[in-house]
Amino acid sequence: KNQVEQSPQSLIILEGKNCTLQCNYTVSPFSNLRWYKQDTGRGPVSLTIMTFSENTKSNGRYTATLDADTKQSSLHITASQLSDSASYICVVSDNNAGNMLTFGGGTRLMVKP
Amino acid sequence: DVKVTQSSRYLVKRTGEKVFLECVQDMDHENMFWYRQDPGLGLRLIYFSYDVKMKEKGDIPEGYSVSREKKERFSLILESASTNQTSMYLCASSLVGQESETQETQYFGPGTRLLVL
Repeated sequence: KNQVEQSPQSLIILEGKNCTLQCNYTVSPFSNLRWYKQDTGRGPVSLTIMTFSENTKSNGRYTATLDADTKQSSLHITASQLSDSASYICVVSDNNAGNMLTFGGGTRLMVKP
Repeated sequence: DVKVTQSSRYLVKRTGEKVFLECVQDMDHENMFWYRQDPGLGLRLIYFSYDVKMKEKGDIPEGYSVSREKKERFSLILESASTNQTSMYLCASSLVGQESETQETQYFGPGTRLLVL
């Protein structure tokens, strides 16, 4: 069964600090991996997408990495801001017909002033 | 920008009521999805549709039905609401796979928080 596990479940950091969120998956065959940001009370918004051949992708202060051999991804946030407080969801797509998505449970990040 | 809207942000219903959740997207996307999101469980797919009048069951379709009469609108129906259907409901849409970085990226609506008493 396809699974996506994220850690930590929640994280509190001080404004200006960096942090790294982890995602491990067992989805096969793998197609791509996305990181979404979900603000409280809102729908998720796509941050990055990586295919099998890509091992890093940046979007401003967000940098995602992918190791397809170990089936791990990380999302690194640099110089955190209060507006980074949100849930971050790792989503993996399989390469079967339909490209079904498997969602991780998310990491809830709080950035404190 | 893609815009996905949902008819209500918050909804309170009683057990046994019929509930309609509406979702509209304005980008001519072929695919539309309904998820529910519960703490600790992440997003779970209820139903999806890849064309008008077409629908497919997701992982947890029991107790739900859907309707796609027009391309831009996808409705989720709770025939007889129960307390275990209290949840956040998220609608999403996406293009049919294209050879681009946004292939199959799903764009989400703001969500409807449903409370069933």
